[in-house]
Amino acid sequence: GQNIDQPTEMTATEGAIVQINCTYQTSGFNGLFWYQQHAGEAPTFLSYNVLDGLEEKGRFSSFLSRSKGYSYLLLKELQMKDSASYLCAVRVNPGGYNKLIFGAGTRLAVHP
Amino acid sequence: DAGVIQSPRHEVTEMGQEVTLRCKPISGHDYLFWYRQTMMRGLELLIYFNNNVPIDDSGMPEDRFSAKMPNASFSTLKIQPSEPRDSAVYFCASSLGTASDYGYTFGSGTRLTVV
Repeated sequence: GQNIDQPTEMTATEGAIVQINCTYQTSGFNGLFWYQQHAGEAPTFLSYNVLDGLEEKGRFSSFLSRSKGYSYLLLKELQMKDSASYLCAVRVNPGGYNKLIFGAGTRLAVHP
Repeated sequence: DAGVIQSPRHEVTEMGQEVTLRCKPISGHDYLFWYRQTMMRGLELLIYFNNNVPIDDSGMPEDRFSAKMPNASFSTLKIQPSEPRDSAVYFCASSLGTASDYGYTFGSGTRLTVV
């Protein structure tokens, strides 16, 4: 089966740093994606990890440990506009075809 | 590119009616995915296509749901007959190959309400 876990909700203060964790147990693994979704909008791509380690993109960084089935998304210098849901998604490759399976998402509220 | 285009943006229909959702993927993308999002269940993969061929429809909830991709630039998701529990936001997404640099691109979604 496929299981992706993330916290349901988190709160943080403007200007601070927040880490959103994701653990996964999937049949096969072919990369991990993080998406941001503002209320009423479509998910938008943030980051992609396929090898262990840290990927940095401006204020956002994503880390992967394949042996532990673990990833985190790190958001620095939080801004009010970062209030959104953050979705962890694992790509699996059954039969040689890629498909993306999503976790339930973490709702992040950034307060002044 | 205009991105992934979905229509309609909103659909309100009565129980028992047929509903057809439409999607135009990004030109050149070889994968197309249909997802459904609800508060209770999050984003669920319903079906996906590679080069217009359905690969896995195991996420389609019931026989009332069907999807087609007659060509590389168009796909439909049909619900017949619709039920109130089908109310959700339906997203279409497309990608090219491994999509490692830019991920999967989602359309704006269709918010379906069945009353």
